[in-house]
Amino acid sequence: EAQVTQNPRYLITVTGKKLTVTCSQNMNHEYMSWYRQDPGLGLRQIYYSMNVEVTDKGDVPEGYKVSRKEKRNFPLILESPSPNQTSLYFCASSFQGATYEQYFGPGTRLTVT
Amino acid sequence: EDQVTQSPEALRLQEGESSSLNCSYTVSGLRGLFWYRQDPGKGPEFLFTLYSAGEEKEKERLKATLTKKESFLHITAPKPEDSATYLCAVATGTYKYIFGTGTRLKVLA
Repeated sequence: EAQVTQNPRYLITVTGKKLTVTCSQNMNHEYMSWYRQDPGLGLRQIYYSMNVEVTDKGDVPEGYKVSRKEKRNFPLILESPSPNQTSLYFCASSFQGATYEQYFGPGTRLTVT
Repeated sequence: EDQVTQSPEALRLQEGESSSLNCSYTVSGLRGLFWYRQDPGKGPEFLFTLYSAGEEKEKERLKATLTKKESFLHITAPKPEDSATYLCAVATGTYKYIFGTGTRLKVLA
């Protein structure tokens, strides 16, 4: 089954404790992306990757890091989480570039206390 | 600045009562406009892609249209299972996606 998977689905952590949210897709897609979704603000793009070793900032990259060492994986790293990063996070992938539809993962709900 | 605005924020319809959702956009180098459906607690699910003004796409009770400044999602004779949040997004010339804040649709039986 073609899918995007994320782990963990739920995470409660404390300020400053480094964490990684994993994302994997099995569709051989070149483009992958991370979003956060907050009430009233909608989905905002954090980082995206056009292909292996090629990443770029979205609209809200502060406090986040990403890497793309393999085509299928695109982890999101929060090196020193803060309460304002409490949010619902989605990973997505698309075939190529930003011309094709994206397929989304199930989401990770992160709470930073 | 690239921007996507959706209206209304929320919409309540009786079953069978047709209506339209609006997505207006200002973007440099539009590469595509997308409609998604999102159910509570789930990731957005792809519905349509539109690439150029005048283009239309249909799927069951939904029809999406595109002009140079806006897109409409027409819902004909909706059913309660059409209740969801509908998201509009544009892909820009710089390979980013920008989403609107969505329209929450509730269809009453």
